[in-house]
Amino acid sequence: QVQLQQWGAGLLKPSETLSLTCAVYGGSFSGYYWTWIRQPPGKGLEWIGEIHHSGNTNYNPSLKSRVTISGDTSKNQFSLRLSSVTAADTAVYYCARGGSGVIFTYYFYYMDVWGKGTTVTVSS
Amino acid sequence: SSELTQDPGVSVALGQIVRITCQGDSLRSYYASWYQQKPGQAPVLVVYGKNNRPSGIPDRFSGSSSGNTASLTITGAQAEDEADYYCYSRDTSGNHRVFGGGTKLTVL
Repeated sequence: QVQLQQWGAGLLKPSETLSLTCAVYGGSFSGYYWTWIRQPPGKGLEWIGEIHHSGNTNYNPSLKSRVTISGDTSKNQFSLRLSSVTAADTAVYYCARGGSGVIFTYYFYYMDVWGKGTTVTVSS
Repeated sequence: SSELTQDPGVSVALGQIVRITCQGDSLRSYYASWYQQKPGQAPVLVVYGKNNRPSGIPDRFSGSSSGNTASLTITGAQAEDEADYYCYSRDTSGNHRVFGGGTKLTVL
């Protein structure tokens, strides 16, 4: 059974860089979209971005200038870096395994395995 | 605001049927996937594709789609189904992913 274990600093000061890593256990890195999602306190889910096993990345346009997602296939890990954080970046950050498919002309995307989440607080 | 629109809250009597909807232009071309999130927990995938359920998800959960609207139906709602539900798909541009704003389901 695939599991994702994530870690990283939980308390940051404004202007610092958020850095989180997610390790994939019990499954292959290939064939999936490795995704980061966040959830501010009391709010909904926000897609941050993803990295395909091929190395291609795709970011939320609202965060693109500050986000980097990278992968290390030799370690079955992928990472998130978010620069110049502010209090608005305070959230629970999740990593997830994403898949896709197509039925006739309809494509679909999903995330079937999630990490437990890391609470990141930005405060001076 | 999200490109996928969900009602903020829906209630259902125990054992009854409830439909949670998600509207967006991108849903004319893409199926949504649905996630259940209970307080303090990570989201869980409950429905994806045309109407697929991951292993372990009860068959009272089903998905459907028509026009610009995707729906998650719970047939015979249980107390443990009380949670927030999110839809997820592509945005209107087709280049990025997006979540709906979420629906809080209350089981009475």
